[in-house]
Amino acid sequence: DSGVTQTPKHLITATGQRVTLRCSPRSGDLSVYWYQQSLDQGLQFLIQYYNGEERAKGNILERFSAQQFPDLHSELNLSSLELGDSALYFCASSEQALNTGELFFGEGSRLTVL
Amino acid sequence: GESVGLHLPTLSVQEGDNSIINCAYSNSASDYFIWYKQESGKGPQFIIDIRSNMDKRQGQRVTVLLNKTVKHLSLQIAATQPGDSAVYFCAENAGGTSYGKLTFGQGTILTVHP
Repeated sequence: DSGVTQTPKHLITATGQRVTLRCSPRSGDLSVYWYQQSLDQGLQFLIQYYNGEERAKGNILERFSAQQFPDLHSELNLSSLELGDSALYFCASSEQALNTGELFFGEGSRLTVL
Repeated sequence: GESVGLHLPTLSVQEGDNSIINCAYSNSASDYFIWYKQESGKGPQFIIDIRSNMDKRQGQRVTVLLNKTVKHLSLQIAATQPGDSAVYFCAENAGGTSYGKLTFGQGTILTVHP
């Protein structure tokens, strides 16, 4: 158990819809990362938040947005969903030090868009 | 953009053998490399990391070797066990403000036969 909790574990929705994925980082971790894992693209970095502020951004679509709340949990919002958005979405957290790539990943939220 | 790639998608070994998983990277600006293990149904799990000022780093039963001249990274697992069966990813980071912003390779499936 990594200590990172993600909900929901599975989600099935239709094209054009909007979903919110939730992540609770490990206790004390200030950084939260979102990654997308798909068969064709592999593991792709989406975005990072550190103590409530956006820290780094990857190739995240404009239809996607995220935020980190004062209690440090984070949400990833996916809107106007397309079939190609079907993937596993992972949240990860790391210790306060920023110079580490040792991330603790949750078990992921599997999104299926029909 | 530049990415990390793997030579072999699958590797099968017998229990007790040593395993070597290889990875080639293309971004010469990358200065930090990490190996992750992903078991079925779980998120990636950190194994070991190495910075570009090192050639070798050892952990418990694992060794990472870095050859910057040929942009090659390898993970050696000693006395491989069935529990080591998983997908192994190498990842790189080009520094900057976020060490957790990782570019992952495609992954190698390691199967350990008892």
